[in-house]
Amino acid sequence: AQSVTQPDIHITVSEGASLELRCNYSYGATPYLFWYVQSPGQGLQLLLKYFSGDTLVQGIKGFEAEFKRSQSSFNLRKPSVHWSDAAEYFCAVPTYSGGGADGLTFGKGTHLIIQP
Amino acid sequence: DAMVIQNPRYQVTQFGKPVTLSCSQTLNHNVMYWYQQKSSQAPKLLFHYYDKDFNNEADTPDNFQSRRPNTSFCFLDIRSPGLGDAAMYLCATSTRNSGANVLTFGAGSRLTVL
Repeated sequence: AQSVTQPDIHITVSEGASLELRCNYSYGATPYLFWYVQSPGQGLQLLLKYFSGDTLVQGIKGFEAEFKRSQSSFNLRKPSVHWSDAAEYFCAVPTYSGGGADGLTFGKGTHLIIQP
Repeated sequence: DAMVIQNPRYQVTQFGKPVTLSCSQTLNHNVMYWYQQKSSQAPKLLFHYYDKDFNNEADTPDNFQSRRPNTSFCFLDIRSPGLGDAAMYLCATSTRNSGANVLTFGAGSRLTVL
């Protein structure tokens, strides 16, 4: 089964600084990969996804992620963070049954703190 | 805008008193999911419906049940809530693909058990 690991539980970044959140996946073939963001008390919003093709994926809110097969990684980046980026970030992979894809399995999340 | 709506956003119940959470969608997606998210944890899939086919995760307690009367609505019933069931409950929808499904989430229903 596919799985993802987010090594960093908390990340603190100064406003205006660059950001990189790490995600490592475990899967033999080319995986499908997602990043979701969750603001406090809210549901999850899709930032971006990788299915195939260009390994650098652009998302919403100025985020991008790069798929690196050699490192089994799909790290999320943003060149300059804003205070509104403070949230929980989840990396995810599909869950499969015999009939096809059935939902997503999430990593444990990375809590992003923005300091002034 | 097409969306996923969850009601209520906040639910307080007493230990053992049944509670029902609802989810509606205007996306016309054929798959609907219920996730449980405890504080500072990742969402955990409880079950999902593919059209009317119900799929229960192996470790979902019997205390949790679900109904999907039509394409647009899905309900989560917790028959006898315990203190450990306090959590955010997230509804999500998707179409079903062989490769991967893109899930659209509602804002969640936060359950408090007294």
